Amino acid sequence: KTQVEQSPQSLVVRQGENCVLQCNYSVTPDNHLRWFKQDTGKGLVSLTVLVDQKDKTSNGRYSATLDKDAKHSTLHITATLLDDTATYICVVGDRGSALGRLHFGAGTQLIVIP
Amino acid sequence: EAAVTQSPRNKVTVTGGNVTLSCRQTNSHNYMYWYRQDTGHGLRLIHYSYGAGNLQIGDVPDGYKATRTTQEDFFLLLELASPSQTSLYFCASTSSAETLYFGSGTRLTVL
Repeated sequence: KTQVEQSPQSLVVRQGENCVLQCNYSVTPDNHLRWFKQDTGKGLVSLTVLVDQKDKTSNGRYSATLDKDAKHSTLHITATLLDDTATYICVVGDRGSALGRLHFGAGTQLIVIP
Repeated sequence: EAAVTQSPRNKVTVTGGNVTLSCRQTNSHNYMYWYRQDTGHGLRLIHYSYGAGNLQIGDVPDGYKATRTTQEDFFLLLELASPSQTSLYFCASTSSAETLYFGSGTRLTVL
């Protein structure tokens, strides 16, 4: 059973628009949550990691929230650029140490058009 | 700078072929992982290791062997490749929740 669900599956926005990606999970325990960006055929690049029960992070045009009570996270991308076209992957870690398992979502494919 | 290097970038083999995928990390991390990525699925864990000489079985280990020869080097072995193993393979290294780095991937095609 999939423990990390991402929505939407795909999304098309115009350059300059904002967008919001969702991540719902059932992983227990949920130590931390990380968002990755993956360009087509490339490796995963970490955007941000959230740790606290109710957490918020900001990294340039990317901002993220985590609510562990709701087991829900959002990734906001502000003023999208063509280079934001990629797959965004939500990953939940069940331990703080590397002994824990990582649970991957299938990703949201974002396409930014001119 | 943290680095995980995979080789080759692309590999084509035939059914029954013998394939070795290589991964080297220069991060001084103890933990290394092999994942496969297929359309519609999140990354799935094949094998992982806590250190040189250590090997742990992941969630989808059938048809794969792995070996961790040094702290830096982790290899994934397909001794009798099958078309179902056509996939994009990623190696990763970590020492904690704050440090997790992926390689650029190896695209394997089994004909």
